[in-house]
Amino acid sequence: SQKIEQNSEALNIQEGKTATLTCNYTNYSPAYLQWYRQDPGRGPVFLLLIRENEKEKRKERLKVTFDTTLKQSLFHITASQPADSATYLCALAYNQGGKLIFGQGTELSVKP
Amino acid sequence: NAGVTQTPKFQVLKTGQSMTLQCAQDMNHEYMSWYRQDPGMGLRLIHYSVGAGITDQGEVPNGYNVSRSTTEDFPLRLLSAAPSQTSVYFCASSPGASGHRTDTQYFGPGTRLTVL
Repeated sequence: SQKIEQNSEALNIQEGKTATLTCNYTNYSPAYLQWYRQDPGRGPVFLLLIRENEKEKRKERLKVTFDTTLKQSLFHITASQPADSATYLCALAYNQGGKLIFGQGTELSVKP
Repeated sequence: NAGVTQTPKFQVLKTGQSMTLQCAQDMNHEYMSWYRQDPGMGLRLIHYSVGAGITDQGEVPNGYNVSRSTTEDFPLRLLSAAPSQTSVYFCASSPGASGHRTDTQYFGPGTRLTVL
């Protein structure tokens, strides 16, 4: 079965630096990959979607890459701010209209 | 728009009790789903619906029932609560044209359930 792995250890970085979060998967590549942000006590909020034929997607300070050779997606937040502190989830769908499978999330803490 | 709403926010049950978690959305989304979130496990799909009158099982459906009589509402029923069902439950919806479950998911605020 498909497995998704995100860093279980929290990522601590200094304000202004670039945060990089990793999402690794096994077996075959997904058709879509999504990233969500989750704050404590709240539901996840959609951030970005990238398709298997796209290498990179950007939105403001966010950038997502998708490497089907490495079976990995990287999520970058440039010029990070304390307000970016949250848990970030990746989610994969393995075919058009398929179910989303979520990773366990990585907690990011940005210190001023 | 209120988006996706869930009630209650918190609930404590005793083993064997039944209850219904409510979920409603006002975005006219076709696709709705229920997830549970446990520490270190990620979000796991319980049941989903691609439209009124249509439901199907997800990854962890045992012990839960759903129905979808309207586009707006998608209640989740716990038939006989067990301590293993202690979790945070999220309802989500997406535009899901033609049932595309890969569309952006809009999540509710969650229900924190404890079963003693």
